[in-house]
Amino acid sequence: AIRMTQSPSSLSASTGDRVTITCRASQGISSYLAWYQQKPGKAPKLLIYAASTLQSGVPSRFSGSGSGTDFTLTISCLQSEDFATYYCQQYYSYPTFGQGTRLEIK
Amino acid sequence: QVQLQESGPGLVKPSETLSLTCAVSGYSISSGYYWGWIRQPPGKGLEWIGSIYHSGSTYYNPSLKSRVTISVDTSKNQFSLKLSSVTAADTAVYYCARHRAERTTVTTPNWFDPWGQGTLVTVSS
Repeated sequence: AIRMTQSPSSLSASTGDRVTITCRASQGISSYLAWYQQKPGKAPKLLIYAASTLQSGVPSRFSGSGSGTDFTLTISCLQSEDFATYYCQQYYSYPTFGQGTRLEIK
Repeated sequence: QVQLQESGPGLVKPSETLSLTCAVSGYSISSGYYWGWIRQPPGKGLEWIGSIYHSGSTYYNPSLKSRVTISVDTSKNQFSLKLSSVTAADTAVYYCARHRAERTTVTTPNWFDPWGQGTLVTVSS
C-alpha cells in the first residue's frame, strides 16, 4: 500500500492568513492526488483532483501543486468556513488517504 | 444532481455480517461511473473498502478483501456492502461515493465525488 503522510497534523491560523498543508507519498504517484475538506459530522468534500485541478464550485483561494511524492494544498486567504480537517488521497494504486490535517482558529 | 444515501443497521454484533445499502438518486447507476464504499472510524482517518461498476466488476481493498462483498442492483438504482466477521475495529462511519477509474499500473478508483452523508455502524454485543 502507498502510505500518505500529511504535515502538520494540526495547524492554528487566523482569518485572512495563507496556509499550506503538505502531503508526501511513500512512492511516486505522478499527479494522481486529490484533496478533500471535511467538517465535523459531515462527509468529505472534494476540493482538488489531479494534484492541481480545482473541482467545480470550489473557491479559487484553494490551490494544489506537486507531482511525484510531494504535494501541497494552499489556502490563500482563510475564511471562517475553511476551518476544517483536510485529507489527501492518492489514486496511483488502490486508494489510500493521509491521516488528515486539522485547521483550527487561532 | 446526484445524491447518495446510506442505510442499514446501526448496531451489529461481533462475528456477524454488516450489511449496508446505498440508494442513488438523480443519476442512473447503469449509465456509468463506479460506486464505492469508504469508512472512517470515530476520530480517525478514511479507508477505502471497495467499489463496483454497473456491470458488476468489483475492486476491493486487499486488507479487507477476504471479508467484503459489494453488489449492485440496477433495477433499484442502489448498491450494497457486506462485511463479514466484524469486530470492534469495524466500528466506523460508512460512506458511499461515486467515482471513475484511473488506469495507471493497475485500474484503480480515482477521486470520490459526491459522497453520501454517512451512517455510523457500531460493532458491539
